[in-house]
Amino acid sequence: DAKTTQPPSMDCAEGRAANLPCNHSTISGNEYVYWYRQIHSQGPQYIIHGLKNNETNEMASLIITEDRKSSTLILPHATLRDTAVYYCIVRSPLRQGGKLIFGQGTELSVKP
Amino acid sequence: GAVVSQHPSRVICKSGTSVKIECRSLDFQATTMFWYRQFPKKSLMLMATSNEGSKATYEQGVEKDKFLINHASLTLSTLTVTSAHPEDSSFYICSADREYEQYFGPGTRLTVT
Repeated sequence: DAKTTQPPSMDCAEGRAANLPCNHSTISGNEYVYWYRQIHSQGPQYIIHGLKNNETNEMASLIITEDRKSSTLILPHATLRDTAVYYCIVRSPLRQGGKLIFGQGTELSVKP
Repeated sequence: GAVVSQHPSRVICKSGTSVKIECRSLDFQATTMFWYRQFPKKSLMLMATSNEGSKATYEQGVEKDKFLINHASLTLSTLTVTSAHPEDSSFYICSADREYEQYFGPGTRLTVT
């Protein structure tokens, strides 16, 4: 599975957009980009995933560059409850193993 | 979204005893479940992949005789930590695959005294 690189920490003002970058320069053609977050002492929560196209759901938007070597997770209006560790993970399809290998993630602090 | 539960949420046991942790998918069937452990201030580390009706696949460095995994049905996987020692104290988290998403349980905090 391809590895990812994320900044260890970021701050964001409440109500502003949080843009979390991720580099995955060795991603393969059939690997998906997944984002999860983990609030302290809880299990990770799925946020969004994508293959090539940009994706949006009720939680966030995922922007994937055309060469697929990097992506950005966007929380459009961050709240204090969005304070968490955000993990960007590259995952092969389940039928090919499909394991989620967690890196160190980005610790996002949303401040009032 | 889909729900995955774990039981117990916290357990304290004495060194040398065995502890069983259950992971259940409550509203869907999961052919594949995963077990992770997480030490304080660290990321999740995948321990093993559990497939219903077959033997689990362990990650490199994880002792299969110490961490026994059973996936007897499509909604239940169990992790048994055998002969637990204080260094096994950790946060154990399971997850289950449903289509493209992997849903995580709330975790089990194990403390071995």
